[in-house]
Amino acid sequence: GQQVMQIPQYQHVQEGEDFTTYCNSSTTLSNIQWYKQRPGGHPVFLIQLVKSGEVKKQKRLTFQFGEAKKNSSLHITATQTTDVGTYFCAGVRNNDMRFGAGTRLTVKP
Amino acid sequence: EPEVTQTPSHQVTQMGQEVILRCVPISNHLYFYWYRQILGQKVEFLVSFYNNEISEKSEIFDDQFSVERPDGSNFTLKIRSTKLEDSAMYFCASSGMIHNQPQHFGDGTRLSIL
Repeated sequence: GQQVMQIPQYQHVQEGEDFTTYCNSSTTLSNIQWYKQRPGGHPVFLIQLVKSGEVKKQKRLTFQFGEAKKNSSLHITATQTTDVGTYFCAGVRNNDMRFGAGTRLTVKP
Repeated sequence: EPEVTQTPSHQVTQMGQEVILRCVPISNHLYFYWYRQILGQKVEFLVSFYNNEISEKSEIFDDQFSVERPDGSNFTLKIRSTKLEDSAMYFCASSGMIHNQPQHFGDGTRLSIL
């Protein structure tokens, strides 16, 4: 079945440093979604990527979808303490959406 | 902004008992989902529901689980005979008119099996 791998599992950065999390699927995806879950909270939708090679930006966040539609990345420039949480990718294929294991980001002020 | 609401926020149940977790999806959404998240682990897909029937289910969603939309607003997850390993946070989510649209999650129900 479809598997979505996400690395790293944890990332601890100093405030102001950059952060990147990577997502790889075992199968070609129809789209990929990114969610953020704050400690004690629920996943909140950030963005959806649909097209091969697509790049989208939200302020300091940059999302990329690979040319083969099997991998994706989320990059945060100049992290802030408000960025803490777990970032999940979710790969969508047909009617099936599977979450990656998430990357837990902590930011030291 | 419309929200997905889940009740109860915390459910404590004896092993072997039945539990029903309740969700009210966003009113004009058509696709409904249940996920679980064991403490500190990833979000795991359980089941998706559309047009009054299950459209997809994972290997986790065995015969002990069932879902129902008993009326026009509620979406429930029933676990027939709970096991210790069912202890987790259960999230309900809904999405709009087209499948694979972004999903809106509720705050979750923390299920503790004793």
